[in-house]
Amino acid sequence: DVKIVESGGGLVQPGGSLRLVCNASGYDLNSEWVRWARQAPGKGPEGLAGIEKDGRRKSYVDSVKGRFTLSRDIGKNLVILQMDSLRVEDTGLYYCIGGAWWAYWGQGTPVTVAS
Amino acid sequence: QTVVTQEPSLTVSPGGTVTLTCGSTTATVTNDQRCYWFQQKPGQAPTTLIFNTRNRHSWTPARFSGSLLGDKAALTLSSAQPEDDADYYCLLSYGSLQVFGGGTKLTVL
Repeated sequence: DVKIVESGGGLVQPGGSLRLVCNASGYDLNSEWVRWARQAPGKGPEGLAGIEKDGRRKSYVDSVKGRFTLSRDIGKNLVILQMDSLRVEDTGLYYCIGGAWWAYWGQGTPVTVAS
Repeated sequence: QTVVTQEPSLTVSPGGTVTLTCGSTTATVTNDQRCYWFQQKPGQAPTTLIFNTRNRHSWTPARFSGSLLGDKAALTLSSAQPEDDADYYCLLSYGSLQVFGGGTKLTVL
């Protein structure tokens, strides 16, 4: 069975940073694009960023460009979302999605940005 | 800026058929947008039902089907079951940009 697990969420003050990690079991994260989406409380999901399987191509939604950075640790089968200059509006449940065609979603890691 | 539109809510009777649509404020939805459909139940992560407009994942019940309908993408649920009561989101791809719709709350009643 494929399992995607996100970690690293928590409470941070505005302007702070968090490092989210996406891990997988039963699946090679390095074989496809990996994407991150977030869902604010009571709202629908929002696509944030994606990284190609070899890590060379990355895409970011405008609202996080310049603040969020995706990277891979290919040897450890991890994808890392470094989030800097966090804002209150970044609060939400952050999901990692792996597999072809957005197949595998993790359960999410919560991020709260508040003073 | 592209906004993806969905019906806020729909109701279907058990055993009935309902069609959810996914539109764009900027253009007709075509196969180029590779429409995805996701189901989300309370307290759970979304699951992907349909990709590339009309393709089911291996776990997607056959009663769900995707298509293009006029200038929109559509998700048709046939023979609705009580467990299909959920929120449904579509996603459209515009190059490297993926845009979710606001979601449809489907009630099976």
